Amino acid sequence: GENVEQHPSTLSVQEGDSAVIKCTYSDSASNYFPWYKQELGKGPQLIIDIRSNVGEKKDQRIAVTLNKTAKHFSLHITETQPEDSAVYFCATSTSGTYKYIFGTGTRLKVLA
Amino acid sequence: GAVVSQHPSRVICKSGTSVKIECRSLDFQATTMFWYRQFPKQSLMLMATSNEGSKATYEQGVEKDKFLINHASLTLSTLTVTSAHPEDSSFYICSAPLRSGIQYFGAGTRLSVL
Repeated sequence: GENVEQHPSTLSVQEGDSAVIKCTYSDSASNYFPWYKQELGKGPQLIIDIRSNVGEKKDQRIAVTLNKTAKHFSLHITETQPEDSAVYFCATSTSGTYKYIFGTGTRLKVLA
Repeated sequence: GAVVSQHPSRVICKSGTSVKIECRSLDFQATTMFWYRQFPKQSLMLMATSNEGSKATYEQGVEKDKFLINHASLTLSTLTVTSAHPEDSSFYICSAPLRSGIQYFGAGTRLSVL
C-alpha cells in the first residue's frame, strides 16, 4: 500500500540554524503535500503546503520543496527559534479523496 | 485558516462507561470528517471517515461497534467510545477538509479510562 517515510525522527539544532525534514512517498498519484506542526497535547496545525504543479513554496522562514520525479518533498525552516520546537508531520493526498497518508513525524528541538 | 472545534479537551471516565466526543466545523460545511487516534510519540492513525447523512467508513482493525460515529449535520460529527476500557485511553483528534482538500484539525481529546 501507499506509505510515506519521514526522516529524521528527531532533530536538534541550535537557535538560528536551519532545519530540514524530508519525506518520501510511494504513490505517484499523490498531488497534495501539506506539513503540520503539532505541539504537545494539541492538534496538528497546517504550516505550509504544496501542490504537484509547483516545485517550491516559501512563507517567511518556512519553505517546502517538491521533487515529483524522485517522489520526495522537504520542509526547510531557517533562522530557527525555540518556539519552533514541536513535532512536524508531512502528509500526502490525492485528488478525489480527502484522505491523508501521514509520515511518522519528526521531533524538532531548537536549543537556545 | 478554517476552524475546527473539538470537545471535550480532556475526559476521565470509569471503565464500562461511554464517552462522546464532538467535532464541529465552525466556519465551513464538511460532508466528510475524519477521526484519528494518536498514541504517545507516534503519528496519527486514521480510525474512520465520517460521512454526513450516511454510515461511517472504518479503517481495517477498528471496531465499529466500539467507536460509534454519527455525522448528523454538515458541521457536526460525534465519536462515541462505548464501554470504554483502559486500553481505549488515548488522544483522539478529528479533522474536517475544505473542498480544496486541506484538512483542519481539532485540538484533540485526551481520554483516560480508569
